[in-house]
Amino acid sequence: SSELTQDPAVSVALGQTVRITCQGDSLRNYRASWYQQKPGQAPILVIFGKNIRPSGIPDRFSGSSSGNTVSLTITGAQAEDEADYYCNSRDSGGDHVIFGGGTKLTVL
Amino acid sequence: QVQLQESGPGLVKPSGTLSLTCDVSGGSINSNYWWSWVRQPPGKGLEWIGDIHHIGSTNYNPSLRSRVTISLDKSKNQFSLQLRSVTAADTAVYWCARGGMYDVSGYYYDGFDIWGQGTMVTVSS
Repeated sequence: SSELTQDPAVSVALGQTVRITCQGDSLRNYRASWYQQKPGQAPILVIFGKNIRPSGIPDRFSGSSSGNTVSLTITGAQAEDEADYYCNSRDSGGDHVIFGGGTKLTVL
Repeated sequence: QVQLQESGPGLVKPSGTLSLTCDVSGGSINSNYWWSWVRQPPGKGLEWIGDIHHIGSTNYNPSLRSRVTISLDKSKNQFSLQLRSVTAADTAVYWCARGGMYDVSGYYYDGFDIWGQGTMVTVSS
């Protein structure tokens, strides 16, 4: 399969925990990365590898994986976390990069 | 601190060729990364276009492969995108990005850690 599936929209109350998921057959064999994108801006890498945060990314962001599903968890969501989130990995053949369709996170 | 900057025409005529360049500063394009192009049509998600390694290897999105060429200019420390036979569906923000990351142990991971600011390209007559 060459697809990564994300829920189009998720909401979370301020200060609560939210999990954003990404499903795809290729995720059984390839790790995913997660990106945050705010309107009019370039995506920002927030998680890569098993659960690695680039420098400057708050520790409320974490990643996990199980079977064909990877998840991005925000523990104690802040207003500034409202954004689109994309997962990214490889297709089943490993030759090509693919992105999920994106999840719009609303912080209530 | 590596930085990327896209440049090129913001308007391309239908059936023409979209040409963009990405200048790499603060680091060498001869390093072990995949220099990539990603685009986003208005209101839609991210789409990987393709990438190139300094040794010359390229990979392209199968849906665009027949129309895309990505190349390197090592003397200028830049890489380029050409997309031929464009239509309105190619209207998008185009980013260049650095593909590949290393952890403290030197282990390699896929993903894009550095992005340019992006450039909007409109296909219209």
